[in-house]
Amino acid sequence: NAGVTQTPKFQVLKTGQSMTLQCAQDMNHNSMYWYRQDPGMGLRLIYYSASEGTTDKGEVPNGYNVSRLNKREFSLRLESAAPSQTSVYFCASLEPGVAKNIQYFGAGTRLSVL
Amino acid sequence: EDKVVQSPLSLVVHEGDTVTLNCSYEVTNFRSLLWYKQEKKAPTFLFMLTSSGIEKKSGRLSSILDKKELFSILNITATQTGDSAVYLCAVTDNYGQNFVFGPGTRLSVLP
Repeated sequence: NAGVTQTPKFQVLKTGQSMTLQCAQDMNHNSMYWYRQDPGMGLRLIYYSASEGTTDKGEVPNGYNVSRLNKREFSLRLESAAPSQTSVYFCASLEPGVAKNIQYFGAGTRLSVL
Repeated sequence: EDKVVQSPLSLVVHEGDTVTLNCSYEVTNFRSLLWYKQEKKAPTFLFMLTSSGIEKKSGRLSSILDKKELFSILNITATQTGDSAVYLCAVTDNYGQNFVFGPGTRLSVLP
């Protein structure tokens, strides 16, 4: 039972390079999320997708794009990486329901932009 | 704007101590408050609270919500070194889609 799987686990980029972070969940959840986590700032929402085919901006969307490829997969793209995007990125999916409504997280991607 | 504040931001205790972590929030159309434990990697779910005054308990951990005063506490009794982690508090609104996280409390339990 894999849950939420993120790849890669680590990445180093040079300023201006592009890359895509991949996320897949096998729990048949509708909603998926991308967060970044910086020291002392908790988790900040970049984008989320309430269902296949829809995406919405979160708190810090600038410099990022997302694609909800299908129900399982939600990718995050950095078109032109900047040092300010050095962070740990987490993908999550949501188990909905009045009694649940719990997010499950992937193991994270540690990204350094030089 | 929805906001979550946690205190203290950092705490160092010795094994066997009892700790109380605080979370206060402002959110339009509150639906639920969640506590997560984050060790080295992904946050893992601890509790979800939706009603005031009802304590949720799991082993040495317990949590309670006060919807009138807009806060929650997480208690850990007889702490162990394995409790060392960052504890995150998050709130959701009525739509249940938008999660707002606090900065976390970093707990260190010394042997």
